[in-house]
Amino acid sequence: GQQLNQSPQSMFIQEGEDVSMNCTSSSIFNTWLWYKQDPGEGPVLLIALYKAGELTSNGRLTAQFGITRKDSFLNISASIPSDVGIYFCAAFTGANSKLTFGKGITLSVRP
Amino acid sequence: EADIYQTPRYLVIGTGKKITLECSQTMGHDKMYWYQQDPGMELHLIHYSYGVNSTEKGDLSSESTVSRIRTEHFPLTLESARPSHTSQYLCASSEGGRAQPQHFGDGTRLSIL
Repeated sequence: GQQLNQSPQSMFIQEGEDVSMNCTSSSIFNTWLWYKQDPGEGPVLLIALYKAGELTSNGRLTAQFGITRKDSFLNISASIPSDVGIYFCAAFTGANSKLTFGKGITLSVRP
Repeated sequence: EADIYQTPRYLVIGTGKKITLECSQTMGHDKMYWYQQDPGMELHLIHYSYGVNSTEKGDLSSESTVSRIRTEHFPLTLESARPSHTSQYLCASSEGGRAQPQHFGDGTRLSIL
């Protein structure tokens, strides 16, 4: 089946540092999404990517849709304490509208 | 922000009870979804609907059932709750058409004693 791989499971960084997260697969996807989930809440959409090679920014966040269509990355610059949470990648194939999710990366930011 | 609401936010209830988790959205989205998520873990799709009177089972088998009588409303029911049903249940919706991002509610955290 289609799987999205996110690793490591947890990341620990110092406030002010940049951090990059990858999401990879052996399958091709046509749309990539990045979500952030705070404790006790639902995931919130951060960035959506629709075209191979696309680079999109949302404030301090930048995400890219890999040229092979098999991966995506999310970069957070100048991290702050409220960046703490679980970051999920998700992707659609063209075959149906069901969304495949990665297992998420838990980000901790030390003040 | 997406306008999708789930109630209750938390529910602690005994084994054998019938439970209905409510989900409503005010965006007129055709597609709605239910996911199950254990703490800190990935999301598993358990039900989805592409419109009124349309419901399908998701990738993860679930003893719950759903209905879609109105566009804005997609309740999930457990006829007889068991401890194994303890989890967080997340509802989402999206516009019709392919590859539309899903917008999530804040979830219901369910504990069955």
